[in-house]
Parts: sequence; structure tokens; C-alpha cells
Amino acid sequence: TQLLEQSPQFLSIQEGENLTVYCNSSSVFSSLQWYRQEPGEGPVLLVTVVTGGEVKKLKRLTFQFGDARKDSSLHITAAQPGDTGLYLCAGSNTGKLIFGQGTTLQVKP
Amino acid sequence: NAGVTQTPKFQVLKTGQSMTLQCAQDMNHNSMYWYRQDPGMGLRLIYYSASEGTTDKGEVPNGYNVSRLNKREFSLRLESAAPSQTSVYFCASSRGFGNTIYFGEGSWLTVV
Repeated sequence: TQLLEQSPQFLSIQEGENLTVYCNSSSVFSSLQWYRQEPGEGPVLLVTVVTGGEVKKLKRLTFQFGDARKDSSLHITAAQPGDTGLYLCAGSNTGKLIFGQGTTLQVKP
Repeated sequence: NAGVTQTPKFQVLKTGQSMTLQCAQDMNHNSMYWYRQDPGMGLRLIYYSASEGTTDKGEVPNGYNVSRLNKREFSLRLESAAPSQTSVYFCASSRGFGNTIYFGEGSWLTVV
């Protein structure tokens, strides 16, 4: 069974701080996706990484796929209250997505 | 610009009752999925339909059945609801199996 472990599960920080969320697995994935989910809504795709070592930037968010394609990280620079939400990583290998358990981020003004 | 639409949004069931969650997408996607989301467990795949006319089990299919009614619609049925099925259910679709997945807004189900 493929598993994706996210850490930390909860993160509460002040506006302006930096943070990193990790997504780790013992399995190799052909691609890895990061989603953001707000209360009462479905997850929304932020980015897909497919190449080992790949780095993608989305404004203040930086996503990295590990060289071995088993892990990924999400780094947020100068977090803002609008970044508050549940962040989910999901790996794909056979076409099916396997989700991590999520990281709940709270950014206080 | 509806995307993926699920109904109902909220439902309370008694143990043993049956119900069907409806899902429709207007993006002409080939693949559709049903997930459940529970605290601390992320999203788990219940069933999926890679293309019209096919359905397959996901990680947690027990207690559920699905029907791919046509290309647009994919329903999830609970034949005899149990408290363990209390969850938030998400329908999703993608252009093809393994492509970017788009989620509906979720259906909150409570089984008492």
C-alpha cells in the first residue's frame, strides 16, 4: 500500500513568517500534486510536479519534488492570513491519486 | 461555470437507511471519482470510473456501490448506512484517468 505522510499536521504562525510543509513516502510516484482546501469547499489544485528535482514557484509558494520522486515540499514565504487552509499532497503512480492526511495552516494577522 | 456538482450538500441518515449521492460534471471529462474525507486521514478513494461504462474499486469500497449513468453523471449509493460512513464525500472528474482532478464542493453525510 502506498502511503504519503505529511508533516506537520497542524501549523499556526504569525503573518510574515516562513514555513515548510513536507510530504514523504517510501514509494516512487510519477507525479505529485499539491492542493489547497478551504472550509466547505473541495480541494483546488495548486501545482503538479513530475520530474525529480523539479522546483515550481507560484507567487510566494515554492514546490519541490525530490530527486528520487518519493517526497516533496511546499515552502511559503511571508505567509499571509489568506494562506490559511488545508494543504494536501497527492501522489500518482497508476493513475489513481493517493492523498496525504493534510496540513492545516493557520496564519494569524 | 458549474464544473462538478454534487447533491445533496447535507444529509442525516439513520443507521440502516439507504441513499444515493448524485454527481454531474459539465466539462466533458472521461473519468470520475468518489472520495471520502475524514479528519486526519486525507481523502480516500472509494470508487472510480476511468471511462464511461467502467467502474472500479478504490481504497475503501466496502458498503458502497456506484453507477456511471452516462458520461456526465456518476452516483454513489449507500445501501445500508452505518455510523462509520459519517464523512464528507467528494465527487471529482478528470479529462482522462491520471489527469488533473477537479473536485465538487462536497456532501456532508451524518449517520446516526
